[in-house]
Amino acid sequence: NAGVTQTPKFRILKIGQSMTLQCTQDMNHNYMYWYRQDPGMGLKLIYYSVGAGITDKGEVPNGYNVSRSTTEDFPLRLELAAPSQTSVYFCASSKQENEQFFGPGTRLTVL
Amino acid sequence: KQEVTQIPAALSVPEGENLVLNCSFTDSAIYNLQWFRQDPGKGLTSLLLIQSSQREQTSGRLNASLDKSSGRSTLYIAASQPGDSATYLCAVFDSNYQLIWGAGTKLIIKP
Repeated sequence: NAGVTQTPKFRILKIGQSMTLQCTQDMNHNYMYWYRQDPGMGLKLIYYSVGAGITDKGEVPNGYNVSRSTTEDFPLRLELAAPSQTSVYFCASSKQENEQFFGPGTRLTVL
Repeated sequence: KQEVTQIPAALSVPEGENLVLNCSFTDSAIYNLQWFRQDPGKGLTSLLLIQSSQREQTSGRLNASLDKSSGRSTLYIAASQPGDSATYLCAVFDSNYQLIWGAGTKLIIKP
């Protein structure tokens, strides 16, 4: 059981580039989430999904897109990267409203 | 709008002391509350989850309490050890199916 895995661990982007952060879970959880964490701050929800084919915006969705074609995968797409998107990104999953399990995070720098 | 506050932002205590970390939230309509630990540059580890119907949860030297009516939770750490040094985050799963986070308390245990 690998839990929640994220790739890549680190990435540097130039302004205007695009990329996809990958997230996979093998716990058959129906809920999945993307958060960002800025230095010294708590986490903020970007997008979440309550099941395959269903996604919804969180608190800070602008500049991001998601899709959920399978139960296991929940990729986060950054279009036209901006310095304000420099952050650590965490993916999480849960069985409905229960305990959330987190991936190790992706550290993204936009220069 | 749900807001979560953690006070103090930082705490330094000698090894062996018992200590309490505080978390407050503004809207009592929550499904559950989770306490997490985050080590520098690392992901998040779930410590305890308290369902809205529960008053407390215990795991080893950790005890978390929940008082929904007053919008408060505490994390009690007994007999602190240097290995307990980390940032402790609390988060409430609210009625909008979102996890709302505090900014964390940075705990340092001095040997």
